[in-house]
Amino acid sequence: EDQVTQSPEALRLQEGESSSLNCSYTVSGLRGLFWYRQDPGKGPEFLFTLYSAGEEKEKERLKATLTKKESFLHITAPKPEDSATYLCAVQATGGSYIPTFGRGTSLIVHP
Amino acid sequence: DGGITQSPKYLFRKEGQNVTLSCEQNLNHDAMYWYRQDPGQGLRLIYYSQIVNDFQKGDIAEGYSVSREKKESFPLTVTSAQKNPTAFYLCASSMVAGVGVRETQYFGPGTRLLVL
Repeated sequence: EDQVTQSPEALRLQEGESSSLNCSYTVSGLRGLFWYRQDPGKGPEFLFTLYSAGEEKEKERLKATLTKKESFLHITAPKPEDSATYLCAVQATGGSYIPTFGRGTSLIVHP
Repeated sequence: DGGITQSPKYLFRKEGQNVTLSCEQNLNHDAMYWYRQDPGQGLRLIYYSQIVNDFQKGDIAEGYSVSREKKESFPLTVTSAQKNPTAFYLCASSMVAGVGVRETQYFGPGTRLLVL
């Protein structure tokens, strides 16, 4: 069974304090790993798709990296507007290809 | 602008009542999905559809029903058999790049269902 574990569950940072969110996964074969941002009361907003170990993608202050067992979402010099819940999902090869979602990391950035 | 719309934003259900949540997309995506989100839990799949007039049960389909009469539309009905319907409901869609291969999911804004 595919599993996705995100840590920490919650993270509080001061503005400008860089940190990383972790997404550990167990799948028989990885088709893709997705990162989303979700603001309270809204639908998830797509950020990145990673397909193979060693791949990296960046968008503004966010950088996503992928290994064979986990992905990191690095946040550099965060601002209060980066406060949100960040969701990770993995899509496995074979079967239905429906993504399995983690429970998310709630990030709060204090000014 | 291309995207996914869900309506209503808030929905109130009385005991014994069936209610229908709307989901429309103009992204020309073949696949559509319904998820339920509860506090502290990951997204749980209710139903999904790859093509018109075909849909599959997800992990928590009991008490829900769907239809897919048009490519753009995938309404979800929460029936009276669903005893704990209070949740945030999310609709998503994606391309189908090849047989059984689905691409990135894009989500709508969600509908919050509350029980009176």
